[in-house]
Amino acid sequence: KAGVTQTPRYLIKTRGQQVTLSCSPISGHRSVSWYQQTPGQGLQFLFEYFSETQRNKGNFPGRFSGRQFSNSRSEMNVSTLELGDSALYLCASSLMTVQETQYFGPGTRLLVL
Amino acid sequence: KQEVTQIPAALSVPEGENLVLNCSFTDSAIYNLQWFRQDPGKGLTSLLLIQSSQREQTSGRLNASLDKSSGRSTLYIAASQPGDSATYLCAVPLKETSGSRLTFGEGTQLTVNP
Repeated sequence: KAGVTQTPRYLIKTRGQQVTLSCSPISGHRSVSWYQQTPGQGLQFLFEYFSETQRNKGNFPGRFSGRQFSNSRSEMNVSTLELGDSALYLCASSLMTVQETQYFGPGTRLLVL
Repeated sequence: KQEVTQIPAALSVPEGENLVLNCSFTDSAIYNLQWFRQDPGKGLTSLLLIQSSQREQTSGRLNASLDKSSGRSTLYIAASQPGDSATYLCAVPLKETSGSRLTFGEGTQLTVNP
């Protein structure tokens, strides 16, 4: 069974631009979560989608948004990029609930110049 | 608010040594606890998931224990190898939400020297 895939793997953007990251969960998984990882803040939860609905949201500004499609694939969008948005963005998928193992993708490394 | 702490922050051991990584959490009302491994610049690899009703889980040279009442979990690595060098993270879900939001510790950076 294929694992969680994320595209693109690397991105370089400039301040003020916007970016869209994509995540394809493991086949059959309906929950997709997004995390931001930085050296200073560690892993921070962005949001979670389940059956095309946002089920949980972390404490990030409205510039960060996401969506999930009917095939469970998910995208996250960051508008008006800031230098501090440079990070590794990870997505995780699980079958349905918090009681199951979460599987992470390889991440998208975003550098904002 | 759930807080997760991992001690030590970094650990360097010679190859072959048995070692223990520690994880503590402030709210004992957890569904489960998951241990992950992360290699530099890479994603997280799930190692073990312990449900709240379990005391231990084993996978190969890895053994994780859970003591909910004291808010602690340990990851035991037997006969460590240089390939075990990575950052190890523990995470628990937030019980007050219905979804899959995890709270992570800061991780223990393990180096196994040949």
